[in-house]
Amino acid sequence: AQSVTQLDSQVPVFEEAPVELRCNYSSSVSVYLFWYVQYPNQGLQLLLKYLSGSTLVKGINGFEAEFNKSQTSFHLRKPSVHISDTAEYFCAVSNAGGTSYGKLTFGQGTILTVHP
Amino acid sequence: KAGVTQTPRYLIKTRGQQVTLSCSPISGHRSVSWYQQTPGQGLQFLFEYFSETQRNKGNFPGRFSGRQFSNSRSEMNVSTLELGDSALYLCASSLGGTGAIYGYTFGSGTRLTVV
Repeated sequence: AQSVTQLDSQVPVFEEAPVELRCNYSSSVSVYLFWYVQYPNQGLQLLLKYLSGSTLVKGINGFEAEFNKSQTSFHLRKPSVHISDTAEYFCAVSNAGGTSYGKLTFGQGTILTVHP
Repeated sequence: KAGVTQTPRYLIKTRGQQVTLSCSPISGHRSVSWYQQTPGQGLQFLFEYFSETQRNKGNFPGRFSGRQFSNSRSEMNVSTLELGDSALYLCASSLGGTGAIYGYTFGSGTRLTVV
């Protein structure tokens, strides 16, 4: 079974400051990793994904994440946040094969609040 | 191109009733997955359909069911509604195969309130 732990339920930061949202996962098989963002009253939008290759993944809106296999982590970072980045962020994993088609296992989410 | 469309956006039902939610995937996408989002349990996988076949199912009771039509549109049904079924139900579509590789696109969801 897989599990995802987002280490911070809420992260407050000031505008233009850097931010890191932490995600650890547990799985007995190889995984694909994702970060999604959810704005109020909306669905989920894919920020970035790691499938294979370079462990540093760049996504939309200036976000990037680094896959660390030894620490089973996939932390999300942004060097300078904007007010518009205020949202809830979800880390997710899926099996990199097998029969778990369509199944994403999500963390509990991290609410990022950017203050002026 | 149009995104994933879920209807209705909001729904209020009474305990014991049944409900049907609809999802139209992005044109050309053959895989549709459903997720339930609640404050207590977070995002949980319900099921996934590909070419009208259910390929995977989450740990939900049999009251939750779904189907996919030949045009890839999908519906999910919840019978004998309980208060705990109140949630945001999200639909996600992908081109198919291993959806993770192609990426999942989510709709805005249907917010179901059971009273």
